[in-house]
Parts: sequence; C-alpha cells; structure tokens
Amino acid sequence: GAVVSQHPSWVICKSGTSVKIECRSLDFQATTMFWYRQFPKQSLMLMATSNEGSKATYEQGVEKDKFLINHASLTLSTLTVTSAHPEDSSFYICSARRENIQYFGAGTRLSVL
Amino acid sequence: AQSVTQLGSHVSVSEGALVLLRCNYSSSVPPYLFWYVQYPNQGLQLLLKYTTGATLVKGINGFEAEFKKSETSFHLTKPSAHMSDAAEYFCAVSEPNQAGTALIFGKGTTLSVSS
Repeated sequence: GAVVSQHPSWVICKSGTSVKIECRSLDFQATTMFWYRQFPKQSLMLMATSNEGSKATYEQGVEKDKFLINHASLTLSTLTVTSAHPEDSSFYICSARRENIQYFGAGTRLSVL
Repeated sequence: AQSVTQLGSHVSVSEGALVLLRCNYSSSVPPYLFWYVQYPNQGLQLLLKYTTGATLVKGINGFEAEFKKSETSFHLTKPSAHMSDAAEYFCAVSEPNQAGTALIFGKGTTLSVSS
C-alpha cells in the first residue's frame, strides 16, 4: 500500500521560533498533498492544498505567511509554522493523494511554550 | 457545498456486539466515499472506500459499508466488536474525478467497546 511519512512526530518549541514539518510519500509520487490541522476531540480542518511546482492553495482564514508550504518535489511537501505562538499548538496531519485516495501521515504534535 | 454528517459523536457497544456508525452526505452527484480510523495521537488509516461498482464494500479489520444513493448514506458496520476497535472514526467524501480535490470530513464518531 501507499506509505506517507511525516516528521517529526512531536515537537516542542519556544514562542517566536519557526518549526518545519516534512511530509513524504515513500513509494509513490504525489503531485498533490494536503495539510490538515486537528484540535483535540475534533475533526480535521483543511489548511491548504500543496501542488508540486506551484504555490499552495490556502483555505479561507489560514494565514499563508504564517504557514509556509513548499512542495519542491513529487515526494516531499513541507509546512513551516513561522513565529509560532501557543495558539498554534495543535496536531498537524498531511496526506498525499494517489488515484483518488488520500493516504495520511502519522501526524505531528506541535507544542509551543 | 458538500457536507458530511455523522450521527452520534459517541457510540458505545459491548465486545461482540454489532457496530453501526452512521454517515450521510449532501450531494446530488454521488461522491467518492471513505471511512478512516484514527487511534490516539496517530494519523488516519483508510478502512474502506466506495468509488464505483458494488455498493457494499468490505474493508480491513472486518468492517464494511454500504452506499445507498437513495438515502445519501454510507454507514459503517462490523458484526462483532472487538476491544481493539475502540478509536475515532471519520467519514469523508471527495468529488469524483477531480484531481487535487481535498476530502471533506465529518466531525467523527468515537467508538467505545466495553468488555
């Protein structure tokens, strides 16, 4: 089956620093990847759609300057949370699309102190 | 816009009992339908999907779901619950044949299994 790797699985950082999260499709190429955010006991909220070789498409209300997305290759998309603040603490999950199915990474828990 | 409704945010069953998790979608055109399971602090794992063809689809871990166009439903069932089935379950839809279309998720249903 298709495997999506997400790294790191957990990161703790100080307020004001930036954090980069990687999402890799290990055994397939993905022209489209997605970034979601999940609050405790809630569903997934789509943040942005990451397209290889072009700018990401952000959902309404998501600050593109705060959540920088880069999809430089067919197997890697990165999400950088810039100048993180405690309210950015959350569970971030990526997915990669293959033949109309999305395969998810294991998620990254971000804690901003 | 597409929406997904999962009736019951929390379902509790006894081990060995039938599991029924409900999902309804809003669309005049049948979308692609998915059920995902999430264990604590983990990503989502695909249980099963419906795209075209047979309306009763079987997935992993003994789960199955039936697409009913007339009811715009895609309920998830398992004949006999196991303790390891306790998790969060999400129903999701996407527009068919539209590359790059994100999934729209329901709010999720927490399944608890008691011994």
